Amino acid sequence: SQELEQSPQSLIVQEGKNLTINCTSSKTLYGLYWYKQKYGEGLIFLMMLQKGGEEKSHEKITAKLDEKKQQSSLHITASQPSHAGIYLCGADYSGNTPLVFGKGTRLSVIA
Amino acid sequence: NAGVTQTPKFRILKIGQSMTLQCTQDMNHNYMYWYRQDPGMGLKLIYYSVGAGITDKGEVPNGYNVSRSTTEDFPLRLELAAPSQTSVYFCASSRGTGAGRLYGYTFGSGTRLTVV
Repeated sequence: SQELEQSPQSLIVQEGKNLTINCTSSKTLYGLYWYKQKYGEGLIFLMMLQKGGEEKSHEKITAKLDEKKQQSSLHITASQPSHAGIYLCGADYSGNTPLVFGKGTRLSVIA
Repeated sequence: NAGVTQTPKFRILKIGQSMTLQCTQDMNHNYMYWYRQDPGMGLKLIYYSVGAGITDKGEVPNGYNVSRSTTEDFPLRLELAAPSQTSVYFCASSRGTGAGRLYGYTFGSGTRLTVV
C-alpha cells in the first residue's frame, strides 16, 4: 500500500475560491515538504514542516502539519490562475533518507 | 546560478538502445538523486548519492546505472532501453541532513524519454 496518500487527485476551482489539498502518511513523519510543478517543468520547493502543529505561510499558501506528524494540509486562499499546476508532498521519514513523494494533486483554476 | 541542469530535455530511443542522461549542479550539494515520474504516479526514486564515489539504489533501480565521480555530476545510464522506461526523469540535489534539509531539494527541469 502507498505510504503517502494525497487527496484529491485533481481539483478544479473557480478563480478567487479557497482550496485545500491533503497529504496523509501511514508512518510518523520526520519532515514534510510541499512542492509545486508547473506542467512540463521541474518541481519548485514551497515549504517544509518539521514540528507537530507547525504552520507556515508564503503569500496566499499556508501549510500545516498535525500534532501527530502524520497529516499535512496545503491551503490556498483566493486562488489565481498562477496557482495552477501539480502539488506534491514529499515525506522525510528519518532525516537522512531520500524523500518519498505522493502521487500529486492536479489543480486547475478557471476564470 | 544555474542550479541543477539536465540534458537532453527530450529524447526518443529505440528498444535495446542505450543512453546517458546528464545531470550537473553548481551549488556544491553533497546529495544528488534521480527520480522518474510516470503519469498519475508521483515520483519514484531510482538511485541516489550522498557524495562523490558513493551511490545507492532507490525503489526502482532495475535497468539503470549511475556513477558519481565528482560532486557536481551524477549521470544516469540506461542500458538496453525498454518501453517501460518511457517516463520523465528528474535529477535533484540537496545540502543533505540536518539543517541542510530545511531548504528541500533543488530539481532540474527534467528529461522526457520515449522508448519505441
